[in-house]
Amino acid sequence: EPEVTQTPSHQVTQMGQEVILRCVPISNHLYFYWYRQILGQKVEFLVSFYNNEISEKSEIFDDQFSVERPDGSNFTLKIRSTKLEDSAMYFCASSVSGGRGKTQYFGPGTRLLVL
Amino acid sequence: QQQVKQSPQSLIVQKGGIPIINCAYENTAFDYFPWYQQFPGKGPALLIAIRPDVSEKKEGRFTISFNKSAKQFSLHIMDSQPGDSATYFCAARWKYGNKLVFGAGTILRVKS
Repeated sequence: EPEVTQTPSHQVTQMGQEVILRCVPISNHLYFYWYRQILGQKVEFLVSFYNNEISEKSEIFDDQFSVERPDGSNFTLKIRSTKLEDSAMYFCASSVSGGRGKTQYFGPGTRLLVL
Repeated sequence: QQQVKQSPQSLIVQKGGIPIINCAYENTAFDYFPWYQQFPGKGPALLIAIRPDVSEKKEGRFTISFNKSAKQFSLHIMDSQPGDSATYFCAARWKYGNKLVFGAGTILRVKS
C-alpha cells in the first residue's frame, strides 16, 4: 500500500540553525500538508500546498517557515532559524485532492529537537 | 472558535469492553469529521470518518455517532481488543480550506 515517507526520523539541531524536513507524498496525490505535534499536545495544522503554492497556512507558519516542492516527488519544510519552541514531531500528509471526504494520509513524522 | 474538544484524556477498559470517546465543536464551518488512530512512533492513520448529514456510521467494530444539533460526535469501539490500545484523535475539516483541526487525543488501553 502506498504511504507517505519522511526523513529524517529524528533531527537534533542547535537554536538558530536552519533545518529542512523532507517528505515524499503518495505519488498520485496533489495536496500536501504539514502538521506538528508538540509533546503531549494536539496535532496542529501548519500549512497546505497545492499547485506549487501555499493554499492555506496557520498563525504558527510565520516567516521562519517555508515549504517547497523542489521536484516531482519531494515536499520540504524549512525552518530558517530554529527556536526552542520549534521542538516537536512534524508530520507530512497528502491527499489525492481537496474537498470534503478526501482522506489525508500522514507520514510517520520527524521528531525535531532544538537545543 | 476553530477548536475541537475531546474527552476523556485517557481510558482503560477490559478486553471486550466498549470504550467511548467524545468530541465537541462550536463552529458550523466544519464539514467532515474523521477519527485517526495513532500507535507509538507512527503517524496518525484514518480509522473512520463521517459527514454531518449522517447520524451514524459503522465500519467493522468502530462506530461514529454524530449529533449535529448538539455539535457532538463520538467513537465507539465494540468488542475492544488489546491491539486497539493506541491514541485516538477526533478531527474536523474546515470547509473553507482543507485543514484538519484535531482534538487533544485520548490514550486508550485495553487490558487483556
